[in-house]
Amino acid sequence: SQQGEEDPQALSIQEGENATMNCSYKTSINNLQWYRQNSGRGLVHLILIRSNEREKHSGRLRVTLDTSKKSSSLLITASRAADTASYFCATTSNTGKLIFGQGTTLQVKP
Amino acid sequence: EPEVTQTPSHQVTQMGQEVILRCVPISNHLYFYWYRQILGQKVEFLVSFYNNEISEKSEIFDDQFSVERPDGSNFTLKIRSTKLEDSAMYFCASSVGGTAGVAYEQYFGPGTRLTVT
Repeated sequence: SQQGEEDPQALSIQEGENATMNCSYKTSINNLQWYRQNSGRGLVHLILIRSNEREKHSGRLRVTLDTSKKSSSLLITASRAADTASYFCATTSNTGKLIFGQGTTLQVKP
Repeated sequence: EPEVTQTPSHQVTQMGQEVILRCVPISNHLYFYWYRQILGQKVEFLVSFYNNEISEKSEIFDDQFSVERPDGSNFTLKIRSTKLEDSAMYFCASSVGGTAGVAYEQYFGPGTRLTVT
């Protein structure tokens, strides 16, 4: 089964606006993680939220988790051009592997 | 800050040739992973490695793939006889832990872009 499907697939906003990306998954999870990938580069870990947590903040990032709806959202506040990247949610299997979604491509226009 | 490194950054090979992709995980990490990302698609798990053996492998990781930790620092992915469909970005990752039910951040390398012609 697929895990971690993001929406929207693409998002274009102006600098200073907020960006919200959503992720849905199908099976029960222990935690959910968000990663960023700049074009052609590796993945950078942004934030991890455990299944018993509902919200977590890190700088301009805010992640929520709703286990009843099997969904998570990533909010980037006061976006900057440097936030332009692809954002992926990933669930962790019982064996430790990450299962990624298709990702949301965010473009922040200066 | 410690980081995962990968070499080469780009590898071009002919179909049927063997390639070895190299990774140096973060020194105190114990769990190692390979993932791949075909252009425009999502990142897919290939294999996890702990205590000098494979912990888990995906359906993609068939007999043409192998992994090895030949010394205390390197972690390699070998593809014996490359196919056109092996063209992808290959990412190595490592983490401090990886046990069931416990969340650990995985640190990713910058990737090796493999092009099979």
